[in-house]
Amino acid sequence: NAGVTQTPKFQVLKTGQSMTLQCAQDMNHNSMYWYRQDPGMGLRLIYYSASEGTTDKGEVPNGYNVSRLNKREFSLRLESAAPSQTSVYFCASSGGGQTNTEAFFGQGTRLTVV
Amino acid sequence: GDSVTQMEGPVTLSEEAFLTINCTYTATGYPSLFWYVQYPGEGLQLLLKATKADDKGSNKGFEATYRKETTSFHLEKGSVQVSDSAVYFCALRDYSSASKIIFGSGTRLSIRP
Repeated sequence: NAGVTQTPKFQVLKTGQSMTLQCAQDMNHNSMYWYRQDPGMGLRLIYYSASEGTTDKGEVPNGYNVSRLNKREFSLRLESAAPSQTSVYFCASSGGGQTNTEAFFGQGTRLTVV
Repeated sequence: GDSVTQMEGPVTLSEEAFLTINCTYTATGYPSLFWYVQYPGEGLQLLLKATKADDKGSNKGFEATYRKETTSFHLEKGSVQVSDSAVYFCALRDYSSASKIIFGSGTRLSIRP
C-alpha cells in the first residue's frame, strides 16, 4: 500500500523554467493538498482540492497552478520558477467524516531554483 | 480566517523530563485538531488527533486534550526519550472552510541523553 506518492524527490531549476510536481494517492481520498515548508515558517497551504473537479487557493497560491486530474492525482505546476520558490513541497490527502479527518503525507520534493 | 499558533522553539530537554508544547487555534466552526511529527529528512506523520471538544488524543506516551473553552490543544508527555527528538506540528481541519487543513509553524524538540 503506497499511500501518497510524490515525484520527483529532488529537482534543480533555473530561474524562469517551468515544471510540474506530480502527486498520486491510492487511499480513495476525496481531498488533496499541496504545501510548502520553509525554515521557521511551518507548512503553508498553496492549493487544495476538497473533491474531484474542484480546486481552491490556500495561503500562498501566487506563482503556482494546480490540476486535479482525477480522484487519485493532483499536480502542482510552476510556470516560471523564481528563487523564492526554493522549498520543500509536500502533497497530502485526506478522507472525510468524523473518523477519517487526518491528512496523509508524501515524502516531499526538495526544489531548488537557481 | 483559521489559524494555529504554537510554542516557539527550539525546545531542549533532558531525557525523562516532562514535555509541554502549547498550541492554540482560531476557527470559524468546530474543527478537528491534530499533532503531527516530522523526523529528519522525512514527511509528516500523524501523532494523535481529537475530533470534538473534551476528546483526548493519545499515542506513544503523548497526549493532548481538545479544550474548546480555551481554544487549545497542548501536547504533553510525562517522560521524553532521545528518540522523541523531532519537529512537532499542531494543525486543524475546519469543515466550514471546505476542509482546509492549516498547520502551525512547528516546534523543534531536542532531547539530551
